Amino acid sequence: AQTVTQSQPEMSVQEAETVTLSCTYDTSESDYYLFWYKQPPSRQMILVIRQEAYKQQNATENRFSVNFQKAAKSFSLKISDSQLGDAAMYFCASLNFGNEKLTFGTGTRLTIIP
Amino acid sequence: KAGVTQTPRYLIKTRGQQVTLSCSPISGHRSVSWYQQTPGQGLQFLFEYFSETQRNKGNFPGRFSGRQFSNSRSEMNVSTLELGDSALYLCASTKDRGADSPLHFGNGTRLTVT
Repeated sequence: AQTVTQSQPEMSVQEAETVTLSCTYDTSESDYYLFWYKQPPSRQMILVIRQEAYKQQNATENRFSVNFQKAAKSFSLKISDSQLGDAAMYFCASLNFGNEKLTFGTGTRLTIIP
Repeated sequence: KAGVTQTPRYLIKTRGQQVTLSCSPISGHRSVSWYQQTPGQGLQFLFEYFSETQRNKGNFPGRFSGRQFSNSRSEMNVSTLELGDSALYLCASTKDRGADSPLHFGNGTRLTVT
């Protein structure tokens, strides 16, 4: 069974600063994907970034990047130049290849301080 | 392109009643998944439909059921409602099965059972 753990229920960061959200996971599969989703008050889950486990290179999407440590089963999200619009719940999730079921962590609430 | 549309946005039901939630995927998307989000249990996978067939099911009692129509629209039904069924129900669609097709989520249906 897959598990995803987010140990930081809440985080805050000053606007324009950098923040890192932590995530660890456990899976017995060799082919899997990892995701970070953002859920603002509108409730819609928005995909922030995706990482294929077989790729060693860390994924990057503009101000968002990940630090993927496969051996340690760690998948942290770094947000650079934080903006007010980044305030939301952030969920880490995993998905096994060939299985359409996402396993989510419990989320981290990110607050941006103006 | 219209996003994933879930109706209704809010529902209030009484214990013992049944409820049907609707999800219209993005045009051209053939896979629809449902998730339950509660403060206590977090986000949990309910089921996934592809080409009108249930392909994957989460760990929920038989009171939770769903179906998918030929136009890929999906409905989820919960019978004999319990207080614990109060949750945000999220629907997500993808073009095809497999993590190469990212999930696109709707805004959810907030169900309150009294």
